Amino acid sequence: QSALTQPASVSGSPGQSITISCTGTSSDVGGYNYVSWYQQHPGRAPKLMIYEVSNRPSGVSNRFSGSKSGNTASLTISGLQAEDEADYYCSSYTSSSTLPYVFGTGTKVTVL
Amino acid sequence: EVQLVESGGGLVQPGGSLRLSCAASGFTFSSYWMSWVRQAPGKGLEWVANIKQDGSEKYYVDSVKGRFTISRDNAKNSLSLQMNSLGAEDTAVYYCTRDYFTYFGYWGQGTLVTVSS
Repeated sequence: QSALTQPASVSGSPGQSITISCTGTSSDVGGYNYVSWYQQHPGRAPKLMIYEVSNRPSGVSNRFSGSKSGNTASLTISGLQAEDEADYYCSSYTSSSTLPYVFGTGTKVTVL
Repeated sequence: EVQLVESGGGLVQPGGSLRLSCAASGFTFSSYWMSWVRQAPGKGLEWVANIKQDGSEKYYVDSVKGRFTISRDNAKNSLSLQMNSLGAEDTAVYYCTRDYFTYFGYWGQGTLVTVSS
């Protein structure tokens, strides 16, 4: 089971929208609506931003949204702010009996 | 407020052992699956192991099977990870997480394990 594929970096100016992709297979992203996204600032623990493809936990800004098409999930950050600069990881439940969860390779978001 | 506080990390020699602990508070610990997730320096996240609410089911990533043991004490609201035969590849920050079986809802601050001679 390989890690999900994310772009290494994405950047945007304040106020703009950016989208991070997360590509897997039919055994993970494409097979279940169980994709989640995590934000991690340097030296800090990851924080859940989106669960089950498009659901936002309480307290997470509605500037963050998630979607999925086929084997690719996406996280969109609208109205980009300086505080959004961080690493972002996707994750998916998998059909593997030995590895129920797989994470993405991670994307560094830079606010220009 | 949900809190997960890890402890027990440190420097250990290759082949050595270490036991990590996670103290949980602010929720009914016995009602949730729990997981350990690790992150090697400068690298991405990797799920390590999880355990069912009553401890009757445990799962591990292949790379730690036979070396790591996850356990819990619901009376003490505590999660543990016993790590044996440690190698350089196990060097990472280890996070305790509340596992919703499809996502990780809460994370501790992490504890650093360094395997080096």
